[in-house]
Amino acid sequence: QVTLKESGPALVKPTQTLTLTCTFSGFSLSTSGMRVSWIRQPPGKALEWLARIDWDDDKFYSTSLKTRLTISKDTSKNQVVLTMTNMDPVDTATYYCARILAVAGDNWFDPWGQGTLVTVSS
Amino acid sequence: SYVLTQPPSVSVAPGQTARITCGGNNIGSKSVHWYQQKPGQAPVLVVYDDSDRPSGIPERFSGSNSGNTATLTISRVEAGDEADYYCQVWDSSSDLFYVFGTGTKVTVL
Repeated sequence: QVTLKESGPALVKPTQTLTLTCTFSGFSLSTSGMRVSWIRQPPGKALEWLARIDWDDDKFYSTSLKTRLTISKDTSKNQVVLTMTNMDPVDTATYYCARILAVAGDNWFDPWGQGTLVTVSS
Repeated sequence: SYVLTQPPSVSVAPGQTARITCGGNNIGSKSVHWYQQKPGQAPVLVVYDDSDRPSGIPERFSGSNSGNTATLTISRVEAGDEADYYCQVWDSSSDLFYVFGTGTKVTVL
């Protein structure tokens, strides 16, 4: 059974750096083809993809947030870490990590973690 | 960047059929995936690759994709189907790579 769980601070101040950890089980990010992504959802709004990391350490970022995001992995701990710099109140959202299934060149997210709500406020 | 447009809301009576559309430029040339999100919960994949269902998803959920519109169809709607639904595509040429639709709230009357 594949599971993912996000952890990190519930509250950060504007201009601070957010660090979130995704701890997963049921698969290994050292296995060829495995990928993990971060997605966020502001309250009452739609989903927004943020970043992806692959088994071979390839990394991809949303162009609009690329300068603020860093994704990394610790294969031995089954963890993926996302950092986002210069946090702003508009970054208030629930942050999800999800495994990516890639078949025949296409990608979808399954399963998702439960999400962690991050509020940006002074 | 690539945009996916969904109707904000769809209302349906129990036992009837709900159809949720996802519009995008030539979306028929892409594979579309659908997620169900109940209040306070994480999204759950209900349809992938236009029309395939993950294990555990009822046959009542089906999908189609052609031209500029993809559609998620929920047959014999139940109260438990009330949720937000999002379509998603992977577009390696987009600055987003992964694009989600605007979301549709399905209300069971």
